Amino acid sequence: EIMLTQSPGTLSLSPGERATLSCRASQSVSSSYLAWYQQKPGQAPRLLIYDASSRATGIPDRFSGRGSGTDFTLSISRLEPEDFAVYYCQQYGSAPPTFGQGTKVEIK
Amino acid sequence: QVQLVESGGGVVQPGRSLRLSCAASGFIFSTYAMHWVRQAPGKGLEWVAVTSYDGSNKYYADSVKGRFTISRDNSKNTLFLQMNSLRDEDTAVYYCARGKYNSAWYLCYFDSWGQGTLVTVSS
Repeated sequence: EIMLTQSPGTLSLSPGERATLSCRASQSVSSSYLAWYQQKPGQAPRLLIYDASSRATGIPDRFSGRGSGTDFTLSISRLEPEDFAVYYCQQYGSAPPTFGQGTKVEIK
Repeated sequence: QVQLVESGGGVVQPGRSLRLSCAASGFIFSTYAMHWVRQAPGKGLEWVAVTSYDGSNKYYADSVKGRFTISRDNSKNTLFLQMNSLRDEDTAVYYCARGKYNSAWYLCYFDSWGQGTLVTVSS
């Protein structure tokens, strides 16, 4: 089972700043099959990025993903008030699919 | 638009059973692998189980194997999760999610999620 470690655990930033979230895998993720999700309190997760760098339908272009192998990054170019949430990475390159523990992006 | 609506959650004693349902609409249900993903209170996401588009193949997380059964009724656009021998650690919000895959059908990312149903296992 591939373990995903996200860092930092919490990111304190102001609106308008850039956010960079990291997701590191315990072994190489096949074909960069990695996704990112956003979750707000009391809501279901929402798909942001799949295949490491492809934005899901309706996701603003301030969200971008990159990476391969064991190291992946989610960037939010300019934080909007609605972007403060918890973000999870998930690999689907090998069974079972696994999630990282999450990074909380909070208002500084 | 895609809609997934879970139901069936509640409070149940350890060792008892519960059956969750997920009603799907807005897409051709019978062509998608479907998953259950859970989230314990204040914790992260944990994949639970997947069924192939026609229900003929299923995979489970080790933590639920032998206790939970995933199934589907494509004539009613509904996904199920039969949960037996429930434990305290099964307490969570259970989400159904639509799977999208590139290679193997069971290796998916999740492009649509329901709102979740809370299962509380407590004596």
